[in-house]
Amino acid sequence: DAEITQSPRHKITETGRQVTLACHQTWNHNNMFWYRQDLGHGLRLIHYSYGVHDTNKGEVSDGYSVSRSNTEDLPLTLESAASSQTSVYFCASSDRLGLHEQYFGPGTRLTVT
Amino acid sequence: DAKTTQPTSMDCAEGRAANLPCNHSTISGNEYVYWYRQIHSQGPQYIIHGLKNNETNEMASLIITEDRKSSTLILPHATLRDTAVYYCIVRALNAGGTSYGKLTFGQGTILTVHP
Repeated sequence: DAEITQSPRHKITETGRQVTLACHQTWNHNNMFWYRQDLGHGLRLIHYSYGVHDTNKGEVSDGYSVSRSNTEDLPLTLESAASSQTSVYFCASSDRLGLHEQYFGPGTRLTVT
Repeated sequence: DAKTTQPTSMDCAEGRAANLPCNHSTISGNEYVYWYRQIHSQGPQYIIHGLKNNETNEMASLIITEDRKSSTLILPHATLRDTAVYYCIVRALNAGGTSYGKLTFGQGTILTVHP
C-alpha cells in the first residue's frame, strides 16, 4: 500500500546544530508540504513543493529549508536549530492538482535543548 | 481562502450522532469545504469535502447550506475513537492560484465522545 513516512519519529538536538527531518511518500504525488504544530498555534505551513526542483516558502519558513530532488522525498533542514523550533513536524502530500485529500505522515517530535 | 469559525469544544454520547458546525460566511464560489480530524499525537486525517451538494462517505456526511455560508459535519454513530480535534477548512482549487493545494488550519473543534 502507498504511504507517507517520516524519520526520525523523535529527535533531541542541541541549539546551533543542523538537523534534517526526512519525509518519503510512495503515492507518486507532485505536491508535498511541511507543517509544524505547537500548542496554541495549530498547524502552520513551513515550506511546500509542487514538483521536483520546486520549493516555496510557507507561513513560518525562517530558519528552515527544503530541497526536492525527486518525487518521493522532501527533507526539511533546520540550518541552526533554536529552542523556538521545538515542535511536532508533519509532512503531507497530495496529487498534482491538490483536488483531493492531503495524506499526512505520523509526525516527528523535535526537541532542541 | 475564506476564514472559518468553529466552536471550541463539543461533547457527544457514544452511539449518538455528532453534528459539528462550521461557519464560512465569506466563502467564494470556487472554494470547497474540507474536513480533517486529528486524533491525539497523530497526523491529521482527511474526512470529507464538498462544494455545494451534500456529500457522504464511509466516515461521515457533509451538509452545506444552500447559501454555502455554513456547513455541518455529521458522524452518524460516534464512537470513543472519534474523540479528536476536527478542522473545517475552506480552500480554493484554482490551479496556479496562491492557495493551490495548501491547507490553512484553524483551531478546530475538540470533540469528546463519552461512554
